[in-house]
Amino acid sequence: AAGVIQSPRHLIKEKRETATLKCYPIPRHDTVYWYQQGPGQDPQFLISFYEKMQSDKGSIPDRFSAQQFSDYHSELNMSSLELGDSALYFCASSRKRGPRDTQYFGPGTRLTVL
Amino acid sequence: KQEVTQIPAALSVPEGENLVLNCSFTDSAIYNLQWFRQDPGKGLTSLLLIQSSQREQTSGRLNASLDKSSGRSTLYIAASQPGDSATYLCAVLNGSWGKLQFGAGTQVVVTP
Repeated sequence: AAGVIQSPRHLIKEKRETATLKCYPIPRHDTVYWYQQGPGQDPQFLISFYEKMQSDKGSIPDRFSAQQFSDYHSELNMSSLELGDSALYFCASSRKRGPRDTQYFGPGTRLTVL
Repeated sequence: KQEVTQIPAALSVPEGENLVLNCSFTDSAIYNLQWFRQDPGKGLTSLLLIQSSQREQTSGRLNASLDKSSGRSTLYIAASQPGDSATYLCAVLNGSWGKLQFGAGTQVVVTP
């Protein structure tokens, strides 16, 4: 079965650089979520989109922005990177906004900021 | 504000023993609860999802129970195997828009 695809899987950047993470949801899934997992921490919700509109926002820094495109893939743009942005970034997708559907997680993008 | 707690933080059992992992949450007004498995440095694999109206879910050797009124969920893994070694996280869905709030996880080691 198709899963959530994230690219790149690994990314190394310098401080103050920018990074773009991509997420391709499971086919026919219309909702995308982004989470950040720091070293030794549990995943923290960043932002979500439903039908290309932002549906919820968590602890996402102003330096980050995201959007969902017409083909439902999503991109997380991160600017002015800081050392503390080093983390595993997960994308998850589900079918239909709402509580009943399981969120399926991608393998994550490991971002290292030097 | 919802808080999700998992106790113990780490657990080591010999192969064949049953595993019992606990998850508690402070706000019982949840929509559902999901259990995940995470291998070191890897992604999250969804194991079971329990809707708020359900009391348990089963999949193979896994059984998860939910007691909303007391704010607890328990994941049982029968006849543990070394391949079950991983970190297990529970996550609750509070709001209608679907953001999950995770516990810190229980790190499980099953020794041969």
